[in-house]
Amino acid sequence: AQSVSQHNHHVILSEAASLELGCNYSYGGTVNLFWYVQYPGQHLQLLLKYFSGDPLVKGIKGFEAEFIKSKFSFNLRKPSVQWSDTAEYFCAVNSGDSNYQLIWGAGTKLIIKP
Amino acid sequence: DSGVTQTPKHLITATGQRVTLRCSPRSGDLSVYWYQQSLDQGLQFLIQYYNGEERAKGNILERFSAQQFPDLHSELNLSSLELGDSALYFCASSAGQGGTQYFGPGTRLLVL
Repeated sequence: AQSVSQHNHHVILSEAASLELGCNYSYGGTVNLFWYVQYPGQHLQLLLKYFSGDPLVKGIKGFEAEFIKSKFSFNLRKPSVQWSDTAEYFCAVNSGDSNYQLIWGAGTKLIIKP
Repeated sequence: DSGVTQTPKHLITATGQRVTLRCSPRSGDLSVYWYQQSLDQGLQFLIQYYNGEERAKGNILERFSAQQFPDLHSELNLSSLELGDSALYFCASSAGQGGTQYFGPGTRLLVL
């Protein structure tokens, strides 16, 4: 069965630090990849997505993610985090084999210290 | 604002009771998904409907049921409620049977 792994459940950084959140998936075929963000007390919002083309995807709020097919990875990055980036981040994957159902990672809670 | 609406925002009820949560998808979206989010279980996919038909089932309890109506809104029915059912219930919608999902603001359910 397909699975999505987010290695870090909690990450604590200081403002202006660089961020990289890991996401690995288990499926070897063609996939679509997503990062969602959930700010405290709010609903999930789409941060960015990759369907095809340039493997470096830029999203909202200065976030980007790189799809590395050989590593089955879609890591989320931001060069300089802000206190307002404190949130939970979810990676998700779908494919034709899963009938395009999103398979979700467990989430990473990011805390930015002011 | 994602365009997905959910009512009510908050619901407080007692064990053993039954509640109905409502979701209206974004205009033009045919798929509706229901999720449960709790502190101990995280984000759990419950069920998906596409154009009125059940399309996929996740970790949905037998005490829970859902349906999607001809106008594409959906309702999630939770019955014989237990303390452990206290959670945030999110609805999401997408244009097709899969793809990008857009989430509603959620219904916070508290079972006392």
